[in-house]
Amino acid sequence: TQLLEQSPQFLSIQEGENLTVYCNSSSVFSSLQWYRQEPGEGPVLLVTVVTGGEVKKLKRLTFQFGDARKDSSLHITAAQPGDTGLYLCAGERPQLIWGAGTKLIIKP
Amino acid sequence: KAGVTQTPRYLIKTRGQQVTLSCSPISGHRSVSWYQQTPGQGLQFLFEYFSETQRNKGNFPGRFSGRQFSNSRSEMNVSTLELGDSALYLCASSFGASMNTEAFFGQGTRLTVV
Repeated sequence: TQLLEQSPQFLSIQEGENLTVYCNSSSVFSSLQWYRQEPGEGPVLLVTVVTGGEVKKLKRLTFQFGDARKDSSLHITAAQPGDTGLYLCAGERPQLIWGAGTKLIIKP
Repeated sequence: KAGVTQTPRYLIKTRGQQVTLSCSPISGHRSVSWYQQTPGQGLQFLFEYFSETQRNKGNFPGRFSGRQFSNSRSEMNVSTLELGDSALYLCASSFGASMNTEAFFGQGTRLTVV
């Protein structure tokens, strides 16, 4: 049983569209990290959110931590082919608990 | 500075054999964690070492073991390989004693058991 559920598992959209990826749990986390993994590479940290209700922006990516620190979302505006990859969320408890990932494909 | 280096990149073994994977962390990092990644299960935590001591362990059978050397380099060993052990094994290093500091991942070792 995954402690962190990510949805959707797979998403294929056209360049320019917007999308949201969700990371949900029934457990509270001290912090939550988002990573992106490209084929043949290890995951790379995008952002860490710590405070309930926190919103962080990284160019076209917006990350939000739920008020209760049990869930998070990643919103991408005007997706580009370079955004293609596997997006992973990981919650701290204190060791990192990982979601199964969302495979995102952006078609030109 | 050099990133996390994992060797070998690819490995094919037969059932029943044993395998040793190596991870060299970023210089100055003392924490090394190991993960197993499969398409169906995502990233599963194996164990974490800090200053040569195993600090945390995931829910894997005793066939999976690891160690860390005084120079922070780490190895993991899998004995009596099973087909289900086929996966990408990732190593991550971090600087601090806390596990929530940023983890820097290597490219992984792709293990195929036939």
